[in-house]
Amino acid sequence: DIQMTQSPSSLSASVGDRVTITCRASQSIAGYLSWFAQKPGKAPKLLIYATATLQTGVPSRFSGSGSGTDFTLTISNLQPEDFATYYCQHTYSTPPYTFGQGTKLEI
Amino acid sequence: QLQLVESGGGVVQPGRSLRLSCAVSGFTFSTYAMHWVRQAPGKGLEWVAMIWYDGTNEYYADSVKGRFTISRDNSKNTLFLQMNSLRAEDTAVYYCARDTSNTWSSRLDYWGQGTLVTVSS
Repeated sequence: DIQMTQSPSSLSASVGDRVTITCRASQSIAGYLSWFAQKPGKAPKLLIYATATLQTGVPSRFSGSGSGTDFTLTISNLQPEDFATYYCQHTYSTPPYTFGQGTKLEI
Repeated sequence: QLQLVESGGGVVQPGRSLRLSCAVSGFTFSTYAMHWVRQAPGKGLEWVAMIWYDGTNEYYADSVKGRFTISRDNSKNTLFLQMNSLRAEDTAVYYCARDTSNTWSSRLDYWGQGTLVTVSS
């Protein structure tokens, strides 16, 4: 099974900052990497898929990059509504489609 | 608009069974693969199970294999998760989610609001 490791597990930032979250897969996942944001008591929301493609309606301050085993989510010009927990997930080949352990972005 | 609504959660004793449902509307259910994902209290997301668009293939996390069964009724636009031999560690909010693919996963683009399952004596 493919393991997904996110870092950091938590992150403090301010409105207007630029932050980067990293996700590492235990083997190559050929770019089949999604990023989700989750706020307390709410369902996860898809932000980015296929490493770098923005889901419809997601602001352009979110961006994704990476290849092989190493991927990043970058949020530029942080807004108050961006403070949430972020998860990566691979959807490469066959299940299980593992999530990273999450990164809590706090003010 | 597109909706996924889970139901069937509740409090259940260890060793007992529970069946979750996910009623969908706003899209052609029979052409999409579907997933169950869970989240234990205060913990991260855990992928649980997946079923192809036509129900011909099912896949499970090792933690639930042999105890949980995912199924679907395309005539009723409903996804199910039959959970047997429940354990305390199965306590979680269970989400159903749509895949954009009909077979192997591409991405999980729409999620329900979740239903809470509590396994406790």
